[in-house]
Amino acid sequence: DAMVIQNPRYQVTQFGKPVTLSCSQTLNHNVMYWYQQKSSQAPKLLFHYYDKDFNNEADTPDNFQSRRPNTSFCFLDIRSPGLGDAAMYLCATSTTPGLAVEQFFGPGTRLTVL
Amino acid sequence: AQKVTQAQTEISVVEKEDVTLDCVYETRDTTYYLFWYKQPPSGELVFLIRRNSFDEQNEISGRYSWNFQKSTSSFNFTITASQVVDSAVYFCALTPRGTGNQFYFGTGTSLTVIP
Repeated sequence: DAMVIQNPRYQVTQFGKPVTLSCSQTLNHNVMYWYQQKSSQAPKLLFHYYDKDFNNEADTPDNFQSRRPNTSFCFLDIRSPGLGDAAMYLCATSTTPGLAVEQFFGPGTRLTVL
Repeated sequence: AQKVTQAQTEISVVEKEDVTLDCVYETRDTTYYLFWYKQPPSGELVFLIRRNSFDEQNEISGRYSWNFQKSTSSFNFTITASQVVDSAVYFCALTPRGTGNQFYFGTGTSLTVIP
């Protein structure tokens, strides 16, 4: 089945230790998104890629970076995680960014910062 | 400004009861889309429905139904004869046309169906 896959499902890191979360998709979608979802809150968009074009949300901290080496994969790098970065990180995809199409979500990676 | 409000933080119902989840939105755009997603304990957001601002017809899909009313800026979701598997967090989201498909999510309603 075509899907959005996130690895690992659970990630534990130490304060200040860089961490990378990965997302892959078999849907061949042009757009990939990264969301941060803290406990009992709505998902918050961090950035998205439309093909190779990177679009950063204005309030996304510089501590968060992303890479998309090809259509199928997208990575979220947190350079120096703080305690406030503990959250669920959701990856999503869609066919295009401008037509209000459905976004397909992965199961998320729950990040714990010690 | 774009905003989605889900005033009900948590709801508990007994199995087989009907339950309505409220969603109120704010936007100045005349063309926009509204979505409902379900987030079960496993974590992934599951798409339920999309509705554009020009289509106010109510929709029914099995035990699920949606009531879209532009006059009150509401897009409410009703589950009929609730089941334990309906237990999840439900998010309403708004995306105005031309915003790059950015979703503005509400804070979600956590539904617990008690057997």
